[in-house]
Amino acid sequence: DVKVTQSSRYLVKRTGEKVFLECVQDMDHENMFWYRQDPGLGLRLIYFSYDVKMKEKGDIPEGYSVSREKKERFSLILESASTNQTSMYLCASSFWSQGKNTEAFFGQGTRLTVV
Amino acid sequence: GNSVTQMEGPVTLSEEAFLTINCTYTATGYPSLFWYVQYPGEGLQLLLKATKADDKGSNKGFEATYRKETTSFHLEKGSVQVSDSAVYFCALYRPTGNQFYFGTGTSLTVIP
Repeated sequence: DVKVTQSSRYLVKRTGEKVFLECVQDMDHENMFWYRQDPGLGLRLIYFSYDVKMKEKGDIPEGYSVSREKKERFSLILESASTNQTSMYLCASSFWSQGKNTEAFFGQGTRLTVV
Repeated sequence: GNSVTQMEGPVTLSEEAFLTINCTYTATGYPSLFWYVQYPGEGLQLLLKATKADDKGSNKGFEATYRKETTSFHLEKGSVQVSDSAVYFCALYRPTGNQFYFGTGTSLTVIP
């Protein structure tokens, strides 16, 4: 089974702190994604990466950056945490398919609270 | 652009009731379509998928048919159980752009 593992289930950080959320997948997937999930807004894409050292902005990249130094690991960085970044963060991975037979595999989520 | 619209929740049903959650999409070309389920405090799990028009995805008693003419992928189950209580997300994938697009989710509560 594909496994996507996020480093923490729950985090509490202070305003202004630099926060690192780590995600590791074990199936050699090319693509990795970071979403945030908020009530009534569904999943919103922050950043994604389709290869090592490659990254693309999603719909809401402001206040975030990412790092992909190794294929299996995709890190989300909150440069200076703010209370409006309190949310559930979901990491996902997928293999690239020129056809359509792919799917996204998700980690268990990290609930981040910024106080 | 690409987008997914699904019915607003929350939905509350009695056990053994029939479930329909509507989902429509906007996309150029022929996307793959998915239903994901999220149990409380967990990430999303794939429930079922379909990759071309008229395909029917099915799993655990849930079904959805890819209808290109109506750009829809409605989720159905004939008899829901308390254990089906969760949030359900409709999604699409297009190889061009290599992204997944998710609906806002529909919360389902099944009461005994």
